[in-house]
Amino acid sequence: DVKVTQSSRYLVKRTGEKVFLECVQDMDHENMFWYRQDPGLGLRLIYFSYDVKMKEKGDIPEGYSVSREKKERFSLILESASTNQTSMYLCASSLWPGNSGNTIYFGEGSWLTVV
Amino acid sequence: GENVEQHPSTLSVQEGDSAVIKCTYSDSASNYFPWYKQELGKRPQLIIDIRSNVGEKKDQRIAVTLNKTAKHFSLHITETQPEDSAVYFCAASDYGGSQGNLIFGKGTKLSVKP
Repeated sequence: DVKVTQSSRYLVKRTGEKVFLECVQDMDHENMFWYRQDPGLGLRLIYFSYDVKMKEKGDIPEGYSVSREKKERFSLILESASTNQTSMYLCASSLWPGNSGNTIYFGEGSWLTVV
Repeated sequence: GENVEQHPSTLSVQEGDSAVIKCTYSDSASNYFPWYKQELGKRPQLIIDIRSNVGEKKDQRIAVTLNKTAKHFSLHITETQPEDSAVYFCAASDYGGSQGNLIFGKGTKLSVKP
């Protein structure tokens, strides 16, 4: 059973703080993703990574960066958190190549509130 | 790049009725179309998918149809039950991206009334 674990489920941070969201998958998946989920806007891709140290911008990368130093771990970084980054963040992973139709597995989500 | 439109945004049906959710996509090169179900407070999970070489696929009470000419695909749930209540997302693979990441619709909140 694939497991994608997001270490922090609920966080409250202050404006301007640096925030790290961690994600670990245990299925040796090549692809990892970070999505943001907001009511009425669906799932929007922030960044994805298809290999260690590789990253690609998604649809809304502004204000975010990512790190993939190890295959199983993909971190989302908010360098200076702002209130408009209050949202639910979903990490996901899949086998390579993603466009062959391999299933994307999601983590449980991290609820971030920036005050 | 790919753009996926999903309708309706909310859908309310009586238990036992059918529910249909429709999605359109823009990139004719897309060839993989999964549907995800997200129950309240839980992660999205794949419920069914279809590839472009297939027009219809069924799995018990759920089915997905694909019309590549019109660039739309639909989710059909028959004999709905209260446990079908959730948000459903359609998606299409994006060949414009490096590794085919999925582009999601905005979701449909389905409510099944007992």
